[in-house]
Amino acid sequence: SAVISQKPSRDICQRGTSLTIQCQVDSQVTMMFWYRQQPGQSLTLIATANQGSEATYESGFVIDKFPISRPNLTFSTLTVSNMSPEDSSIYLCSVEGTRRVGTDTQYFGPGTRLTVL
Amino acid sequence: GQQLNQSPQSMFIQEGEDVSMNCTSSSIFNTWLWYKQEPGEGPVLLIALYKAGELTSNGRLTAQFGITRKDSFLNISASIPSDVGIYFCAGREQGAQKLVFGQGTRLTINP
Repeated sequence: SAVISQKPSRDICQRGTSLTIQCQVDSQVTMMFWYRQQPGQSLTLIATANQGSEATYESGFVIDKFPISRPNLTFSTLTVSNMSPEDSSIYLCSVEGTRRVGTDTQYFGPGTRLTVL
Repeated sequence: GQQLNQSPQSMFIQEGEDVSMNCTSSSIFNTWLWYKQEPGEGPVLLIALYKAGELTSNGRLTAQFGITRKDSFLNISASIPSDVGIYFCAGREQGAQKLVFGQGTRLTINP
């Protein structure tokens, strides 16, 4: 499987500020995704990060609130903008389509635990 | 959109017991994935299934892709304390790009 790292692993932020989360993969991948996992809940897809073009957002998520970049096949960022306490969650990066496995398998990073005060 | 119904939501068992959990969907899937998540970690892939009827094992874990392509189950045999965690099923419809996740099964083991 791919080795996926996320930075920061956790952060405590003030209301109204923004935080950028980085996701780095040790090999080139075709697909990268960003998920949110609220406390005690399942995973909700925020968007698909497309290399070289704008991300594809799911219903209920917008680019102004969650801008995403994907400058190459191994790296992506998710920004949580103008944060409120409701944004306190775990944010997870996932990848699909590594050179070593089939394209239908998705692997997750360790997550970024965000607390907004 | 499609939803996954994962059951049970939680299980409290004795060490050494076998565990069974399942997921059902309202539509036909062509991929089923089973993950385990421990506190403070991201989900870790346990088993991937790609064909109807497929039965795959990973150590003490066994998962099957249902014949109807609308369900999957995961069994854990002879549970041990390190099996504690939340288990998620995930599936994908034919031609779809994104995964749909179940609500998770929280497994607690009494030693």
